[in-house]
Amino acid sequence: GAGVSQSPRYKVAKRGQDVALRCDPISGHVSLFWYQQALGQGPEFLTYFQNEAQLDKSGLPSDRFFAERPEGSVSTLKIQRTQQEDSAVYLCASSLEVAGPGNEQFFGPGTRLTVL
Amino acid sequence: GNSVTQMEGPVTLSEEAFLTINCTYTATGYPSLFWYVQYPGEGLQLLLKATKADDKGSNKGFEATYRKETTSFHLEKGSVQVSDSAVYFCALKDSSYKLIFGSGTRLLVRP
Repeated sequence: GAGVSQSPRYKVAKRGQDVALRCDPISGHVSLFWYQQALGQGPEFLTYFQNEAQLDKSGLPSDRFFAERPEGSVSTLKIQRTQQEDSAVYLCASSLEVAGPGNEQFFGPGTRLTVL
Repeated sequence: GNSVTQMEGPVTLSEEAFLTINCTYTATGYPSLFWYVQYPGEGLQLLLKATKADDKGSNKGFEATYRKETTSFHLEKGSVQVSDSAVYFCALKDSSYKLIFGSGTRLLVRP
């Protein structure tokens, strides 16, 4: 009964580098979410997938951020030309059903990104 | 827009003390309310939830009551343990799927 896994757990990038963060949701979960958690803050919504369809990307902070889930399971969050303000923990969550107000989201341990 | 405000930490208590972490929210409609806990090095875990007014969520000795009249969802525990030391997040979800979190409250329980 594996939970949501994310890799790498820690990533250090030089400013301007591209990074890719991976999320493996719980098997069979339809919905997948990405959140960004700045130091000392609560997570903030980035984007939502229902299967392979990205239904909401309203939280992505700039066009340098791109997410995909091509086969409706594993998802990758890519950040191009990283900036220092991108330093944060990136959390992935999945949910069994089509997302709704009462459905529980299960979170992974996060990837801590540090941009130097 | 929708938002969650929770008391700033850290909250430092001795073992077996009573815990209250305040949480208030602003939302249109009737959101679902949640408390998540984040232990060091681990992901967020759902602690309890309530989906309508006057509901009481409870788990592991923690409880919170959805108070619509005061737009609050305060977290309480009668007797904390050292193992309860963690960061606690209050969150809401409106009619959509987005969780909106407070800024978190760090709890430190001393033996």
